[in-house]
Amino acid sequence: AQSVTQLGSHVSVSEGALVLLRCNYSSSVPPYLFWYVQYPNQGLQLLLKYTTGATLVKGINGFEAEFKKSETSFHLTKPSAHMSDAAEYFCAVSGGSNYKLTFGKGTLLTVNP
Amino acid sequence: GAGVSQSPSNKVTEKGKDVELRCDPISGHTALYWYRQSLGQGLEFLIYFQGNSAPDKSGLPSDRFSAERTGGSVSTLTIQRTQQEDSAVYLCASSLVPQQGSKQYFGPGTRLTVT
Repeated sequence: AQSVTQLGSHVSVSEGALVLLRCNYSSSVPPYLFWYVQYPNQGLQLLLKYTTGATLVKGINGFEAEFKKSETSFHLTKPSAHMSDAAEYFCAVSGGSNYKLTFGKGTLLTVNP
Repeated sequence: GAGVSQSPSNKVTEKGKDVELRCDPISGHTALYWYRQSLGQGLEFLIYFQGNSAPDKSGLPSDRFSAERTGGSVSTLTIQRTQQEDSAVYLCASSLVPQQGSKQYFGPGTRLTVT
């Protein structure tokens, strides 16, 4: 079985500040890890994914995430928040013989001017 | 090209009625997934199609829920005798191949409200 825990259902940052959204996973098989973003009344958009290889993954819109196996973490960061980053962010895991995504509960990011 | 489309975008139905939700995946994508997003449960997997067959139906919450896919393309999720707890946003996704790490492209969802 796989699971994802996102610490903090709501994170608020100032424009220009560092964004850090936390994700910890549990998986009995090598995990594939994803971050998705959801803007209001829209579907999910993939920000980045980790499959194998380099543990620091760069995504769209200046986001990146680092896979740390020892900590079972895949935290999402962005050096400088922009107003347009305000959205809900979901971490997800898949692996083994199934292809379904198991999602965390999501973190709502608010960016203050 | 066009992304994943879903219809209707919004559906309001009375308790006990049946509803059909439609998903048009990206052309050529062989894998199709249905998820449900609700306030209480977050994002949950419902069912996965590879071509027209469904190797994994483990997320369907009850026998009132069924889904089919025809021609390796369009999929329909049917909910019979809807209940208020079925109110949620139903999301469809597709990927080029059913493979670990494949990017799943999501549609905008159908918001279902059961009154």
